[in-house]
Amino acid sequence: DAGVTQSPTHLIKTRGQQVTLRCSPKSGHDTVSWYQQALGQGPQFIFQYYEEEERQRGNFPDRFSGHQFPNYSSELNVNALLLGDSALYLCASSLSTGTGVVSPLHFGNGTRLTVT
Amino acid sequence: GQNIDQPTEMTATEGAIVQINCTYQTSGFNGLFWYQQHAGEAPTFLSYNVLDGLEEKGRFSSFLSRSKGYSYLLLKELQMKDSASYLCAVRDQAGTALIFGKGTTLSVSS
Repeated sequence: DAGVTQSPTHLIKTRGQQVTLRCSPKSGHDTVSWYQQALGQGPQFIFQYYEEEERQRGNFPDRFSGHQFPNYSSELNVNALLLGDSALYLCASSLSTGTGVVSPLHFGNGTRLTVT
Repeated sequence: GQNIDQPTEMTATEGAIVQINCTYQTSGFNGLFWYQQHAGEAPTFLSYNVLDGLEEKGRFSSFLSRSKGYSYLLLKELQMKDSASYLCAVRDQAGTALIFGKGTTLSVSS
């Protein structure tokens, strides 16, 4: 049973560039959440996708956008990269009902993004 | 505002018991989670409390007091492999987002 898979594992970009990160949820899960984890910090919620729509968004600028596909996989896009965007980006999948998440989050191993 | 506090670092020896505390002040509450994260790896789910009291799962137990905004994770019979960061997280009122603390780095020595 495949867990949450993310690609790429590592990425180096230059300030001002754009990046796309990808996530495939655990089998049977329909909800994907994205988190940013800076070094020595806990993960910070970026947004969550359910039924191909953004269900909730954290305190992140519009440079951060996402998408969920009919097969439940998801992408995170970050435009106009800043040095401060360097972090581990974690994707987490779960199962939802219409009113909220009903299972614990299962995390992928993350994408380590370095902006120079 | 949202605030979750936990100690930054703790140390313990093999075979001992350690308690990691977490206090929270959040605008909503829909359950409290504990995750374990080894360096360079994904956080893995340890426990979930939504009602007051103790939940036991093998060597790990978690306690919740909603009136005090307080939880702890208890690890018994510590092993070297328990050296990791332990993350306390509160699920928000909407039941979607997890709000994480900064994590407690536990070092277990022999």
